Amino acid sequence: GQQVMQIPQYQHVQEGEDFTTYCNSSTTLSNIQWYKQRPGGHPVFLIQLVKSGEVKKQKRLTFQFGEAKKNSSLHITATQTTDVGTYFCAGPPSGGSNYKLTFGKGTLLTVNP
Amino acid sequence: GAGVSQTPSNKVTEKGKYVELRCDPISGHTALYWYRQSLGQGPEFLIYFQGTGAADDSGLPNDRFFAVRPEGSVSTLKIQRTERGDSAVYLCASSLFPGGYEQYFGPGTRLTVT
Repeated sequence: GQQVMQIPQYQHVQEGEDFTTYCNSSTTLSNIQWYKQRPGGHPVFLIQLVKSGEVKKQKRLTFQFGEAKKNSSLHITATQTTDVGTYFCAGPPSGGSNYKLTFGKGTLLTVNP
Repeated sequence: GAGVSQTPSNKVTEKGKYVELRCDPISGHTALYWYRQSLGQGPEFLIYFQGTGAADDSGLPNDRFFAVRPEGSVSTLKIQRTERGDSAVYLCASSLFPGGYEQYFGPGTRLTVT
């Protein structure tokens, strides 16, 4: 079945440093969604990318969807302590059930103030 | 407005017992999903409802798991003969429409089977 992999599994940064997490799917995706889960919390939707090569920005966050629609990345510029949490990518397979999200294992980001 | 709510927030049960977990989605959301999240893992799809019917239950691990949504709003996930391996956080999510829309997650029910 479809597998979604994320690297790194953990990332510890000093406040102000940049952070990037990468997401790779074993199959082409219909779209890619990113979620953030704070410690002890539940996943919260950040963004959805649909088009091949799409780039979207939200303040200090930049999201990219690969040309082949099999990979994606999230880059955070100048991290803050409020960025702490686990970032998940998730997507449904292209041509399949577009409601059925397969999540990666996530990247846990910790920020040292 | 109110988000997705789930009850109970925590449930401890003995192996072999039956449990019910409840999800109250955002009002007006037609699509409802159940996921299971184990420690250090991402949410794992269990079942999807469109309206009252289970449109896709392919993620349910086995026939001990069953879910209903009789009136197209509140949903109940039912687990029979619980096993220790069922221990996890069970997340419910809803979306306005199915497919390609952001999913709003509830706070989850932490199930512990002793």
